[in-house]
Amino acid sequence: GDSVTQMEGPVTLSEEAFLTINCTYTATGYPSLFWYVQYPGEGLQLLLKATKADDKGSNKGFEATYRKETTSFHLEKGSVQVSDSAVYFCALSPGRYNFNKFYFGSGTKLNVKP
Amino acid sequence: NAGVTQTPKFRVLKTGQSMTLLCAQDMNHEYMYWYRQDPGMGLRLIHYSVGEGTTAKGEVPDGYNVSRLKKQNFLLGLESAAPSQTSVYFCASRTSADMNTEAFFGQGTRLTVV
Repeated sequence: GDSVTQMEGPVTLSEEAFLTINCTYTATGYPSLFWYVQYPGEGLQLLLKATKADDKGSNKGFEATYRKETTSFHLEKGSVQVSDSAVYFCALSPGRYNFNKFYFGSGTKLNVKP
Repeated sequence: NAGVTQTPKFRVLKTGQSMTLLCAQDMNHEYMYWYRQDPGMGLRLIHYSVGEGTTAKGEVPDGYNVSRLKKQNFLLGLESAAPSQTSVYFCASRTSADMNTEAFFGQGTRLTVV
């Protein structure tokens, strides 16, 4: 079945460090892929998305590229800030025949220290 | 623009009590979801609905019931609360018109069962 696997956290970085959070997926069709961010005490909000192979989603300095050959959608940022401290979720919406579902990874907590 | 609104935001229940969580969305979305979020387990789907009058089970439906009598509302019920249901509950909604769109989340309900 469809699923998402994220790297375990927490991830602790110093300010201005490079960030990578790994996400791989399993899907039978052609899914859309998403990264959500959850700041402390808040709900999830969309960070970026990609809807087909080789698409790159980007927002607020974060990027992720939809790699069909490696079934991956890794999140990257070149220089993190303290304000990026949050929990990041990779998510998948299956292809055309099952897209009422929405699957989430377990989340990766990011701590950025000044 | 309210988006997805959850009521209440916090609640403490005694074991065996019942309660209903309300989710309301003003985006005319067909799909609605209830998730629970527990430490280290990410988001798990409890129940979902693909339209008014329809509901379906997700990954962890036991101990919960749902109803979707109006398109804009999705209710989650706990008939006899148990400490294992202590969690943060999130509601989400999504349009059926575009398989590439994201789900929109409410701010969450923090429920403690003592």
